[in-house]
Amino acid sequence: DAKTTQPPSMDCAEGRAANLPCNHSTISGNEYVYWYRQIHSQGPQYIIHGLKNNETNEMASLIITEDRKSSTLILPHATLRDTAVYYCIVRPAGGNQFYFGTGTSLTVIP
Amino acid sequence: DGGITQSPKYLFRKEGQNVTLSCEQNLNHDAMYWYRQDPGQGLRLIYYSQIVNDFQKGDIAEGYSVSREKKESFPLTVTSAQKNPTAFYLCATWDGSYNEQFFGPGTRLTVL
Repeated sequence: DAKTTQPPSMDCAEGRAANLPCNHSTISGNEYVYWYRQIHSQGPQYIIHGLKNNETNEMASLIITEDRKSSTLILPHATLRDTAVYYCIVRPAGGNQFYFGTGTSLTVIP
Repeated sequence: DGGITQSPKYLFRKEGQNVTLSCEQNLNHDAMYWYRQDPGQGLRLIYYSQIVNDFQKGDIAEGYSVSREKKESFPLTVTSAQKNPTAFYLCATWDGSYNEQFFGPGTRLTVL
């Protein structure tokens, strides 16, 4: 299964865009990139997923590079409630198991 | 109100006792999962079930057991054979329509 690499922590000023990077250099052509976040002592929350094209929803945007070896999650206007651990996950093709790494701990600063 | 219920939120047990964690869902999802999370770590898969009366071991199944007698329920038993059971336990389901995994609120188990 493809592995992901994320920075362990990041800070972002409130109201600014938070850009969270993820490397997945061994991803296969039919594997999806997923992003979840986890607020302390709660269950992870789905944010967004994509295959090749950039995706946007009400929470965030997902930018996937053309070679698919990396991606960036963008929270356009970070708020204090966005402080959480963000996980970048690659889902095996045809599978529904998720392999979580240690993620990026994002702190939004007032 | 659709969702996943895990109860209780906090659970304390003495060493050597078996304990069963509850997971109930009313989302009508076929697949269900149990994960374990240790402080500062990601989630690790314990067991999963794709359908009623069927389940498979995940990466860290030793010392745990599950059953799937009903679609809505997937209880996890932490046995005395689990050497370090104190952890945060998360139950999840899979929505095949939207290709998303949904998580419950978790149960924090402390073995004294």
